Amino acid sequence: QKEVEQDPGPLSVPEGAIVSLNCTYSNSAFQYFMWYRQYSRKGPELLMYTYSSGNKEDGRFTAQVDKSSKYISLFIRDSQPSDSATYLCAMSSMDSNYQLIWGAGTKLIIKP
Amino acid sequence: DAGITQSPRHKVTETGTPVTLRCHQTENHRYMYWYRQDPGHGLRLIHYSYGVKDTDKGEVSDGYSVSRSKTEDFLLTLESATSSQTSVYFCAISRQGPINTEAFFGQGTRLTVV
Repeated sequence: QKEVEQDPGPLSVPEGAIVSLNCTYSNSAFQYFMWYRQYSRKGPELLMYTYSSGNKEDGRFTAQVDKSSKYISLFIRDSQPSDSATYLCAMSSMDSNYQLIWGAGTKLIIKP
Repeated sequence: DAGITQSPRHKVTETGTPVTLRCHQTENHRYMYWYRQDPGHGLRLIHYSYGVKDTDKGEVSDGYSVSRSKTEDFLLTLESATSSQTSVYFCAISRQGPINTEAFFGQGTRLTVV
């Protein structure tokens, strides 16, 4: 079993819909949680960063961490075709020696 | 892209040959990383560096070596390429460690070993 599980998709939704992307993990020591966006043939770029539990909002994006369920989510409101990309979750703990543990990514397609 | 250049961008090489990938940064960030990305596996850390001549192994370091003789350059060498090393390789940099600061990624190098 992988430490971080993420549905590969693709997830296809109409423009304007609310998108929910999720990751589950097995290591209860994880404290740092990140969402990266990766466009085709490009490197990942950081979208959201959360420490420990709770919600964080940035524009149309909201990141949620539920440590009791070992579950993190990224919500995208008013989705746009430009949001079409692969979304990668990554997480780490203080004892991971600088190693981020990555999900395999969910491919998101926003249909105009 | 945040001042990171990977070269080459594409390479096809034969099994058993040595290959060196280069990552060059203009940000003067202390930390540099090499990842590989394969379908179904996400990103996996190969090696990382926390300063000039300071490097350490990541999750999938077998068959790879690295060197960092200058702050701006981090080289990844496949000593004797195998087909299992066909992948997309990403270099990343961060000002501090990746768990508490943003990591910036290069455009990637697509390597095919035939």
